[in-house]
Amino acid sequence: KNQVEQSPQSLIILEGKNCTLQCNYTVSPFSNLRWYKQDTGRGPVSLTIMTFSENTKSNGRYTATLDADTKQSSLHITASQLSDSASYICVVLSQAGTALIFGKGTTLSVSS
Amino acid sequence: NAGVTQTPKFRILKIGQSMTLQCTQDMNHNYMYWYRQDPGMGLKLIYYSVGAGITDKGEVPNGYNVSRSTTEDFPLRLELAAPSQTSVYFCASSSRNIQYFGAGTRLSVL
Repeated sequence: KNQVEQSPQSLIILEGKNCTLQCNYTVSPFSNLRWYKQDTGRGPVSLTIMTFSENTKSNGRYTATLDADTKQSSLHITASQLSDSASYICVVLSQAGTALIFGKGTTLSVSS
Repeated sequence: NAGVTQTPKFRILKIGQSMTLQCTQDMNHNYMYWYRQDPGMGLKLIYYSVGAGITDKGEVPNGYNVSRSTTEDFPLRLELAAPSQTSVYFCASSSRNIQYFGAGTRLSVL
């Protein structure tokens, strides 16, 4: 069964600190992997998209990595800000169809 | 550029009532989607459309219907609301690999 598992479920860090969120997937064959940021009460917003041939992609303070061999991805946030408090969702698109498979997300809280 | 607009933002329904969740996009995207997000769960695809006049079921279509008469609009219809349909509903459209989401409709069925 195609699944996307994220860890940790929630995370609290101090402003200015770095953090790394994990995503493991069992989707195969896989087309691309995305990371979304979802603020409370809002729709998800795309942060990065990586195909199987890409190992890393950055978007400002956000850096995503992908290991297609181990089916793992991570999202690293550098120098966190209060506005980074949100849910971060890992999403995988299977080559088999048009549907995206969403993880449950990691809830990040950045405190001052 | 408004992007993806959903209405209403909130709604409370009684069991058995019907309603339509509206979704419109102004980006001329062919692909549009409806998802539901239950607390602590990942988004689940209800229906999607690859263009005007073409719709298809997603992972959780039971209890819902859609239509796509224009490129811009993709309404979601609940015919007989049930408590299990209490959720937050997101509409999205996509161009190539990027999906753009609306702000969501929070629906409670009591």
